[in-house]
Amino acid sequence: DQQVKQNSPSLSVQEGRISILNCDYTNSMFDYFLWYKKYPAEGPTFLISISSIKDKNEDGRFTVFLNKSAKHLSLHIVPSQPGDSAVYFCAASFDPANSGNTPLVFGKGTRLSVIA
Amino acid sequence: DTGVSQNPRHKITKRGQNVTFRCDPISEHNRLYWYRQTLGQGPEFLTYFQNEAQLEKSRLLSDRFSAERPKGSFSTLEIQRTEQGDSAMYLCASSLWSSGSSYEQYFGPGTRLTVT
Repeated sequence: DQQVKQNSPSLSVQEGRISILNCDYTNSMFDYFLWYKKYPAEGPTFLISISSIKDKNEDGRFTVFLNKSAKHLSLHIVPSQPGDSAVYFCAASFDPANSGNTPLVFGKGTRLSVIA
Repeated sequence: DTGVSQNPRHKITKRGQNVTFRCDPISEHNRLYWYRQTLGQGPEFLTYFQNEAQLEKSRLLSDRFSAERPKGSFSTLEIQRTEQGDSAMYLCASSLWSSGSSYEQYFGPGTRLTVT
């Protein structure tokens, strides 16, 4: 069963507008969430993360929002640029023992196309 | 330091042959992860090391798969008697874990395996 879900396989946005990528999760034990960007023929690149004790984290044009009650997070990119065109993966982890001993659980990804 | 490197980048092999992939993590990172990604899916966890100790293996890692990290530096992933279902992108990631640190993992470019 898919514990991390990205229900939109693709998204097209005009340059300069806001891109909103969504992610839902089912495991309430997850306590840390990350977004990765992936270009073709490259490995995923870390973008931004958020701990479950927060509801928002911002880094430049990228903001991640977390709604724990809805088990939902979103990535906002403002303003969107053509170079943002890539596949975006949502990932989650949980670490109740604070040992860092947890692999990441990924969604299937959303392909973002930013149109000039 | 230039990040995580993986070799080879591409490997084509015939069914039944053995293959070995290498991952060189970021030099100061003590944790090393292997993931597998197939078309249309996010990366799926295979196994993970802290220094030279292999601490966790996914049920995806059949007996034909073995991974090592001698001396806690580079790691190798070997697949014996390859099957067509092993065709995938094999991703390596590393992280630096210490108390209070975050959960970001940094990925290499991957090795694409094609089994004919």
